[in-house]
Amino acid sequence: GENVEQHPSTLSVQEGDSAVIKCTYSDSASNYFPWYKQELGKGPQLIIDIRSNVGEKKDQRIAVTLNKTAKHFSLHITETQPEDSAVYFCAATSGFQKLVFGTGTRLLVSP
Amino acid sequence: GAGVSQSPSNKVTEKGKDVELRCDPISGHTALYWYRQSLGQGLEFLIYFQGNSAPDKSGLPSDRFSAERTGGSVSTLTIQRTQQEDSAVYLCASSPSRAEQFFGPGTRLTVL
Repeated sequence: GENVEQHPSTLSVQEGDSAVIKCTYSDSASNYFPWYKQELGKGPQLIIDIRSNVGEKKDQRIAVTLNKTAKHFSLHITETQPEDSAVYFCAATSGFQKLVFGTGTRLLVSP
Repeated sequence: GAGVSQSPSNKVTEKGKDVELRCDPISGHTALYWYRQSLGQGLEFLIYFQGNSAPDKSGLPSDRFSAERTGGSVSTLTIQRTQQEDSAVYLCASSPSRAEQFFGPGTRLTVL
């Protein structure tokens, strides 16, 4: 079955810096890769996703890149703000199936 | 519009008791998922309902866990004879006929 690894487990940046979180997956059949942001005491919030027919997708300060050959995908946050502080999860799935999640990255943005 | 809702938000129970957790998906979403998140851990898949198809129960950790979805909408996750290791946040997600899954706020279950 699918296995998703996520790095780093914690990431501290200064406000205004960029943050990059990386994930790898094992199942070449996976074709959908969402990223979720989870704030304390809340459910995960879908922030961006990418499908396997696309190499990069941007939404304002957030971008995701996908390298299907290497089975890598990454989340890039530019101009970080304190409100970006949260736990971020990557996930992978092959269509309308269960999401397999990475172990999460705790991002701390210091003012 | 309204998102996924779950009730109760918190549940404290004694070891050995049965609990029921409820999920109200986004209206019109055909797929519904249950996940479990243990303290400081990632999300673990439990069960998946898609329309009228037989559910995918491959993630249920034991036969003490069961779930049903009535009328293609509301779902209930039941845990019988709860154990302390069942303590976790139980998250429900729903999805339209695409891959995106939208999560509810979760039910925090504590088994004493």
